[in-house]
Amino acid sequence: DIQMTQSPSSVSASVGDRVTITCRASQGISSWLAWYQQKPGKAPKVLIYAASTLQSGVPSRFSGSGSGTDFTLTINSLQPEDFATYYCQQGDSFPITFGRGTRLEIK
Amino acid sequence: EVQLVESGGLLVQPGGSLRLSCAASGFTFSSYHMNWVRQAPGKGLEWISFISSSSSTIYYADSVKGRFTISRDNAKNSLYLQMNSLRDEDTALYYCARDPIRGDGYNFDSWGQGTLVTVSS
Repeated sequence: DIQMTQSPSSVSASVGDRVTITCRASQGISSWLAWYQQKPGKAPKVLIYAASTLQSGVPSRFSGSGSGTDFTLTINSLQPEDFATYYCQQGDSFPITFGRGTRLEIK
Repeated sequence: EVQLVESGGLLVQPGGSLRLSCAASGFTFSSYHMNWVRQAPGKGLEWISFISSSSSTIYYADSVKGRFTISRDNAKNSLYLQMNSLRDEDTALYYCARDPIRGDGYNFDSWGQGTLVTVSS
């Protein structure tokens, strides 16, 4: 199985800051990586797929990069609605696996 | 508008069985692969099962293999998860999730609101 190591597990930031979350796959997954945002009591929402493609309707302050084993999610100019938990997910092979999540908190 | 509505979650005793359903609307259900993903209370996301659009290909996580069975009825626009030999560690919110089949790996572009399964004596 492909293990997804996500870091940090939590981060504190202020409105207007830039935040970067990283995800490392235990083996190469090409660009088959997605990022999700989950708010308390809500279902996850896809932000980025294919490592760097922005899902329709997602603000352009979200961006993704990487290929192979190392990936990043960057959020520029944090907005109050961005404080949530973020997960990476590999879609290269089964079993599909997620990172353990990064909780983005208000400083 | 794409809608996925799960149902069937209950409190069940260890060793018991349960069948979850997911009703789909707003898209051509028969054209999409579907998945079940669960989330234990306060924990992260765990993918548990995949079924292709025609039901020809099915995968399971090791944690549920041999106990859970995924199925679908394209005529009824419905996805199912038959859960047998339930364990305490199966307690979770169960989501159905659609694979958009964009040719860019497996991912999930639409999710239901989840149905809660609690396994406890």
